[in-house]
Amino acid sequence: KAGVTQTPRYLIKTRGQQVTLSCSPISGHRSVSWYQQTPGQGLQFLFEYFSETQRNKGNFPGRFSGRQFSNSRSEMNVSTLELGDSALYLCASSARGGNEQFFGPGTRLTVL
Amino acid sequence: QKEVEQNSGPLSVPEGAIASLNCTYSDRGSQSFFWYRQYSGKSPELIMFIYSNGDKEDGRFTAQLNKASQYVSLLIRDSQPSDSATYLCAVGWAGGTSYGKLTFGQGTILTVHP
Repeated sequence: KAGVTQTPRYLIKTRGQQVTLSCSPISGHRSVSWYQQTPGQGLQFLFEYFSETQRNKGNFPGRFSGRQFSNSRSEMNVSTLELGDSALYLCASSARGGNEQFFGPGTRLTVL
Repeated sequence: QKEVEQNSGPLSVPEGAIASLNCTYSDRGSQSFFWYRQYSGKSPELIMFIYSNGDKEDGRFTAQLNKASQYVSLLIRDSQPSDSATYLCAVGWAGGTSYGKLTFGQGTILTVHP
């Protein structure tokens, strides 16, 4: 079974721009969770989608948003980028959500 | 107060020894517990999960859970240099507003030296 895929793998943007990241879950998995990983804060939960519905959201500003499509693929968008948004963005898929989550390789975002 | 805390490390053990990684959590409602391994520059890889009190063994790895003490640990037997990585403890819940959310500790860096 193919694992979780994320595109792009690396991204460089400037402050004020917006960015869209994509995640394709493991086949058959309907839950996709997004996390931000930074050296200072570690891994922090952004949001989770299941059957195209956001079921849970972490403590991030409204500039961070996401969506899920009918094929379970998910995208997250960050608008008005700030320097502090530089991070590794990880998505994880699971069969039902909350339980065993499998991570993709991540998207390394650098904001200049 | 941090919700999930891990022994700060870094932890250094000789090849062939047992590495012991510890984690405590603050929410008694926690229901699922995970250990991830993360190599430098890579994403976290799920290596163990445990839901019930007691021990769970998988090859050289043993996860131990004590809900009364709010404590979960990971033992790595016969440690190998390839086990050198950051180990992340994660805690999850089920249902309600907690879907899909894992709360992670800061990680423990393990180095296994030959």
